[in-house]
Amino acid sequence: SQTIHQWPATLVQPVGSPLSLECTVEGTSNPNLYWYRQAAGRGLQLLFYSIGIDQISSEVPQNLSASRPQDRQFILSSKKLLLSDSGFYLCAWSTGGAFKRSYNEQFFGPGTRLTVL
Amino acid sequence: DQQVKQNSPSLSVQEGRISILNCDYTNSMFDYFLWYKKYPAEGPTFLISISSIKDKNEDGRFTVFLNKSAKHLSLHIVPSQPGDSAVYFCAASYRAGNQFYFGTGTSLTVIP
Repeated sequence: SQTIHQWPATLVQPVGSPLSLECTVEGTSNPNLYWYRQAAGRGLQLLFYSIGIDQISSEVPQNLSASRPQDRQFILSSKKLLLSDSGFYLCAWSTGGAFKRSYNEQFFGPGTRLTVL
Repeated sequence: DQQVKQNSPSLSVQEGRISILNCDYTNSMFDYFLWYKKYPAEGPTFLISISSIKDKNEDGRFTVFLNKSAKHLSLHIVPSQPGDSAVYFCAASYRAGNQFYFGTGTSLTVIP
């Protein structure tokens, strides 16, 4: 069966420090991968999605970047964190190909709570 | 900016009664809607969905209603159980799109 892992679960970082959040998926090949963020008082917002290695689309211009060095690994990074980067970050996967919007085709990891002080 | 809105951040309901969670959207192109349920320290999990060709979809204790003219959907949970206590997100998508648009979530507490 497929599983998705995210780490760390919680993170407290000072303003200006770098960030690296990792997400890995097991039990499937060539998945689509997604990074979402929920900031205080906001809905889950799509940040990046990837349909393959080194194929990443950015949905919201900001202080963050994403990379996909391996088929089932998705990394969210920042060189210098801002206070506004605080939030809850979720990784998700779906079967590969075009965007899948059916109910049983997008699955979420447990998330990372990031607090920037 | 926020195309999907859940205006009630929290809701408390007595066990056995009905829980009604509401969601409004602004984009008339949305034609597929989902509800996700999220427990603390876990990712959201799919609960129920509805296509715009329907106005109601039922799955056990959970029913989703869609009012396209009002751009409004609601999730009914009957009867509510303490295990239903969680944050509920509604999400929407449209055919030519490439993402889900999520609401801000409603935290439901079912009181035993």
